[in-house]
Amino acid sequence: EIVLTQSPATLSLSPGERATLSCGASQSVSSSYLAWYQQKPGLAPRLLIYDASSRATGIPDRFSGSGSGTDFTLTISRLEPEDFAVYYCQQYGSSPNTFGQGTKLEIK
Amino acid sequence: QITLKESGPTLVKPTQTLTLTCTFSGFSLSTSGVGVGWIRQPPGKALEWLALIYWDDDKRYSPSLKSRLTITKDTSKNQVVLTMTNMDPVDTATYYCAHRRPWGGVTFDYWGQGTLVTVSS
Repeated sequence: EIVLTQSPATLSLSPGERATLSCGASQSVSSSYLAWYQQKPGLAPRLLIYDASSRATGIPDRFSGSGSGTDFTLTISRLEPEDFAVYYCQQYGSSPNTFGQGTKLEIK
Repeated sequence: QITLKESGPTLVKPTQTLTLTCTFSGFSLSTSGVGVGWIRQPPGKALEWLALIYWDDDKRYSPSLKSRLTITKDTSKNQVVLTMTNMDPVDTATYYCAHRRPWGGVTFDYWGQGTLVTVSS
């Protein structure tokens, strides 16, 4: 199965700054089938990005995804207070689909 | 709008079988392309996909847990049931059911609130 490694484990930034989160895959992710989720404490994950770069319904355009093959990035252009959470990547190009271990985005 | 809700026991003993029910609304599991999956998350840890059932009754399982999992659907009741046998304390987690985005690969665009299952004697 494909192993996803997210970096950094924790990212400390201030509101208004730009956040760059990385997701590396142990093998190439076919069809750029890579998604990003946001999870806040006590809540279920929320789908942000699918197919590496497509925003899910209702997701603000400050969230963008990019990448292909084994290297993917989630960028939050200008952090809002509500963006501080844990972010997970998921690949679904190969079975079984797998999740990364998460990046915690915390307020500096 | 689409909603899902998990139900089942909060505490199970080691070696017992866990049965969780996902009751949903806002979509039909008889519509082409629709699927419902189960994902779990141990406390403080990452997400792990468990199983998925499609509108045509095609079923997919995590290879590492396949021998212990069964997923079924009751379209008339708008429910999906997951059973996991031989529960162990390491299976303690929040279990989520989720709606598969109907196009492309397996991503989940609507999630239930989750139910915490503790495995302990």
